Amino acid sequence: QKEVEQNSGPLSVPEGAIASLNCTYSDRGSQSFFWYRQYSGKSPELIMSIYSNGDKEDGRFTAQLNKASQYVSLLIRDSQPSDSATYLCAVIRSGGSNYKLTFGKGTLLTVNP
Amino acid sequence: GAGVSQSPRYKVAKRGQDVALRCDPISGHVSLFWYQQALGQGPEFLTYFQNEAQLDKSGLPSDRFFAERPEGSVSTLKIQRTQQEDSAVYLCASSVRGNPYGYTFGSGTRLTVV
Repeated sequence: QKEVEQNSGPLSVPEGAIASLNCTYSDRGSQSFFWYRQYSGKSPELIMSIYSNGDKEDGRFTAQLNKASQYVSLLIRDSQPSDSATYLCAVIRSGGSNYKLTFGKGTLLTVNP
Repeated sequence: GAGVSQSPRYKVAKRGQDVALRCDPISGHVSLFWYQQALGQGPEFLTYFQNEAQLDKSGLPSDRFFAERPEGSVSTLKIQRTQQEDSAVYLCASSVRGNPYGYTFGSGTRLTVV
């Protein structure tokens, strides 16, 4: 089982719709969770972080964490064509390496005008 | 500069050639990280520096990979006797502290081994 799993997609949604991106992780002791956006040929850019169960909202983005189910999600409301990118889920696992991110493969999102 | 600078932006190496990839972090950033991103994959951790000290090199895939940061600023990732499986984008990130909350990634170096 991979440490961080994401559906590779592509996920295609119409402009204005809600895009839902999902991620599961295997290390039950994982502490911190991040969503990065990566445009083609560019470097990852942090868009959300979440550390405790529940929802965290920032503008059009909402991150959801359920530690019991080992599940993290990212909702993008009112999706725009400029949101088209690969979304990477990353976690900090339990133990002493609190600087080390473990990434999933990413989900390619396409928002159609 | 304002961001993390990496050079070269692209590198084509013949199999067996040695390469050196450079990372110039944001001024004042104590922590520096190298990640490897293969095509269609997420980045994978290679190594971590705090100032000039290499605190974690557990992700380096083989002894052909070597990283240094001798003065606590610029870092170089060296790959000896390159193999085709080394083809990837090599990402450098820096942060003020040793945690990912303030990571800033550079644009990466795309290495192609032919």
